[in-house]
Amino acid sequence: ETAVFQTPNYHVTQVGNEVSFNCKQTLGHDTMYWYKQDSKKLLKIMFSYNNKQLIVNETVPRRFSPQSSDKAHLNLRIKSVEPEDSAVYLCASSQGTNERLFFGHGTKLSVL
Amino acid sequence: GDQVEQSPSALSLHEGTGSALRCNFTTTMRAVQWFRKNSRGSLINLFYLASGTKENGRLKSAFDSKERYSTLHIRDAQLEDSGTYFCAALTGGYKVVFGSGTRLLVSP
Repeated sequence: ETAVFQTPNYHVTQVGNEVSFNCKQTLGHDTMYWYKQDSKKLLKIMFSYNNKQLIVNETVPRRFSPQSSDKAHLNLRIKSVEPEDSAVYLCASSQGTNERLFFGHGTKLSVL
Repeated sequence: GDQVEQSPSALSLHEGTGSALRCNFTTTMRAVQWFRKNSRGSLINLFYLASGTKENGRLKSAFDSKERYSTLHIRDAQLEDSGTYFCAALTGGYKVVFGSGTRLLVSP
């Protein structure tokens, strides 16, 4: 059904801990994204990688960092989580930047 | 900045009826995409338009970049159409701006 795979589906952690979310796409796309869905259900872009090059880095806190080993993988690391980081994080991919986006199921993070 | 205004925020339809969702853009967008969020939380691709209209079954979408809007029409609504629908506008760069979603409930 979906060709963008995210793990884990859910993660509960405490303030100050480090977390890492994985994303893999099997579509052969060259561009991958991380979005954060806020409390109002708005999806806001955090990072975008095109052929392993960072091309968008929205004003997210420095504790967030994307990690890409190849164009099929884009992981997201949060160095020291804060309560406001609780959200759903969505990974997506596309072929170039002019084509449709394909989304993963999302990772729901709860910070206690 | 770039914004997308999606309406209505919620919509109730009886089976067999239809309606339209709309997204207005504050700036010129190069393309729009429509999604439906399924029960598992996945965003399912419905349409991608750089211009004009597209139709797929009971769904039809239109995009006018000059007039800065896009619509999604649903006809002959079925129970399984219930869910949350999002439009997403693709800007000139790598940005994608999502609407706030329309929660559709189709009842018998």
